[in-house]
Amino acid sequence: QKEVEQNSGPLSVPEGAIASLNCTYSDRGSQSFFWYRQYSGKSPELIMFIYSNGDKEDGRFTAQLNKASQYVSLLIRDSQPSDSATYLCAFHNAGGTSYGKLTFGQGTILTVHP
Amino acid sequence: DTGVSQDPRHKITKRGQNVTFRCDPISEHNRLYWYRQTLGQGPEFLTYFQNEAQLEKSRLLSDRFSAERPKGSFSTLEIQRTEQGDSAMYLCASSLRGPATDTQYFGPGTRLTVL
Repeated sequence: QKEVEQNSGPLSVPEGAIASLNCTYSDRGSQSFFWYRQYSGKSPELIMFIYSNGDKEDGRFTAQLNKASQYVSLLIRDSQPSDSATYLCAFHNAGGTSYGKLTFGQGTILTVHP
Repeated sequence: DTGVSQDPRHKITKRGQNVTFRCDPISEHNRLYWYRQTLGQGPEFLTYFQNEAQLEKSRLLSDRFSAERPKGSFSTLEIQRTEQGDSAMYLCASSLRGPATDTQYFGPGTRLTVL
C-alpha cells in the first residue's frame, strides 16, 4: 500500500464549478497535511496546511481532514482556468525519526475549462 | 526576492560526470530539505538538515550522492558519476518550525538531464 494515494486524474471541471481533490494516507502517526499546487515545469507552491480534524478555509480553498478515516481533501470553489495545475497532497510525521520530511502523493492533474 | 533560490536552474551533463547544485534557503529558516521529482510523480525526500547537521538521509540516496550545509546557511548537493536514472528535478525546500507544524517552501528547482 502506498503511503499517500490521491484520486486518479486527470480531473476536468467547468469554470465556476467546485473541484474536489482527495487524498488518503496510511501512516496513523501523520500529524500535519499539506496541499501544494504545481504548474507544469515549476516547483510546488504551498496552498494550505491542516492539522486538526474538520475544515479549514482560506479564500476559495477549503481543506478537510478526517484522521479517523485517514482522509484529507481539498475543495476549490469557483474554479478558474488559472487553477489548472497538478495538486499534490503531502503529510508530515514529526514523531519518531522522520523529523520534518514530507511524504507526497503522486498528484492529481486538474483542468478547469472555460 | 526573499524566497528559496537554487542554482543552476538547468544542468545537462554526460553520464559519468559529477555535478553540484546549490540551494539558498529563506534567511531565517533553520531547516533545509532536498527532494527529487521525476515526471508524473510527487517529490521524493532525499535528505534534511537542521542548521549544519544532516539529520536524515533517505534510503534512495546512494553513495554517489552527498549533501552539505557547512555554516547552516546555503546547502550543496553533489552527484558523482552521474547515471541516466539521475535525470530529474532536484528541489530544495526550507522551513522554520512553528508551534503547530513545519511548513516547507520550495525553491524553483534544478532540472538535471544526464545524456
